[in-house]
Amino acid sequence: DSVLTQSPATLSLSPGERATLSCRASQNINNYLAWYQQKPGQAPRLLIYDASNRAPGIPARVSGRGFGTHFTLTISSLEPEDFAVYYCLQRSNWPHGTFGQGTRLELK
Amino acid sequence: QVQLQESGPGLVKPSETLSLTCTVSGGSISLYYWSWIRQSPGKGLEWIGYVYYSGRTDYNPSLKSRVTISVDTSKNHFSLRLKSVTAADTAIYYCARDSGFGHGSETYYNVWGQGTLVTVSS
Repeated sequence: DSVLTQSPATLSLSPGERATLSCRASQNINNYLAWYQQKPGQAPRLLIYDASNRAPGIPARVSGRGFGTHFTLTISSLEPEDFAVYYCLQRSNWPHGTFGQGTRLELK
Repeated sequence: QVQLQESGPGLVKPSETLSLTCTVSGGSISLYYWSWIRQSPGKGLEWIGYVYYSGRTDYNPSLKSRVTISVDTSKNHFSLRLKSVTAADTAIYYCARDSGFGHGSETYYNVWGQGTLVTVSS
């Protein structure tokens, strides 16, 4: 199974700033990658699927890109509700999906 | 709108069997894949296994020897059994839905239960 490595582990930013999160796969996963947001006490919420497509209801300030082994999630202008933990998930060897270890986006 | 709800004991003794049920409401259990995923501080998010509405299953190799997932279409629910538990199995357990391999939002876990904390302790 492909191992996903997320960086940085923690990102400290202010509202209005741009956030860029990275997810690297240990082997080629094409575009079988999703991004999730998780807030305390809640289940993960799907933000991006197939590396670059926004899930229903996700605002346009959230975007994803990448293919193969390197992927990024960008939030163009942070809102207060964006501060959370973000995970990437690969499904190239469905159903054996694996998650990254997460990036905590915290208020500076 | 489909909703998932996990239920089961919050405390399990070491060496015993953890049993959870996920009830599907607002939609049919048919034509989807139903997974169990757990989250612990030590191992992050970990896929445990899935059951298809037909009863077909597949499991994470690291847990395969201890896991059984089953479905009851008449009750619109599916269940997890994890035997011989240890403290390392302490986690929040989630149930989730996807539509199988391919592209599209539904091929990822796009519907989740709220999660239930299971603690393994004597």
